[in-house]
Amino acid sequence: NAGVTQTPKFQVLKTGQSMTLQCAQDMNHEYMSWYRQDPGMGLRLIHYSVGAGITDQGEVPNGYNVSRSTTEDFPLRLLSAAPSQTSVYFCASKDRENQPQHFGDGTRLSIL
Amino acid sequence: AQSVTQPDIHITVSEGASLELRCNYSYGATPYLFWYVQSPGQGLQLLLKYFSGDTLVQGIKGFEAEFKRSQSSFNLRKPSVHWSDAAEYFCAVGSSNTGKLIFGQGTTLQVKP
Repeated sequence: NAGVTQTPKFQVLKTGQSMTLQCAQDMNHEYMSWYRQDPGMGLRLIHYSVGAGITDQGEVPNGYNVSRSTTEDFPLRLLSAAPSQTSVYFCASKDRENQPQHFGDGTRLSIL
Repeated sequence: AQSVTQPDIHITVSEGASLELRCNYSYGATPYLFWYVQSPGQGLQLLLKYFSGDTLVQGIKGFEAEFKRSQSSFNLRKPSVHWSDAAEYFCAVGSSNTGKLIFGQGTTLQVKP
């Protein structure tokens, strides 16, 4: 049982480059979300999805794009990377209501 | 506004001593409350959750938390801390219908031998 799988685990980008962080879950969960973790700020919600074809913005959506074409996958796109997007990114999924979220192991992203 | 506050950024306790990590929340609807633990370089592991019912909830690794609606608090406790408990702890409040979580800033626990 793989759970929530994030790739890559580490990535270094130059300012202005674009990339996609991948997130896949094999638990048939409806809810998926992306968070970023920065020192002293906990985790902050970037985007979330309550099902295939449905996405919405979280607390810090600017500079990020998402889509949810399948239940399993929820990629996060950085359109033009900026140093302020250096962070650790976590993807999470959850089943129906009243269930906790399952987190991936994170992607550590550095923007130079 | 919805928010979670963990007043203690850093706590140091001796091994074998008791532990209490504080968490206060502001949330308009019925709160669903969680405590997660994160070891360095790792992801988040769920310690325990509160959705409804008994306000004292038991979790993994000997942790428990008590929901106090009147104080808007959900403090985490452990009677005897082990060196392996050293980690960062996050309190979070969530929505049942969207899966959105609001996290506190985290509390780093250091355990002295």
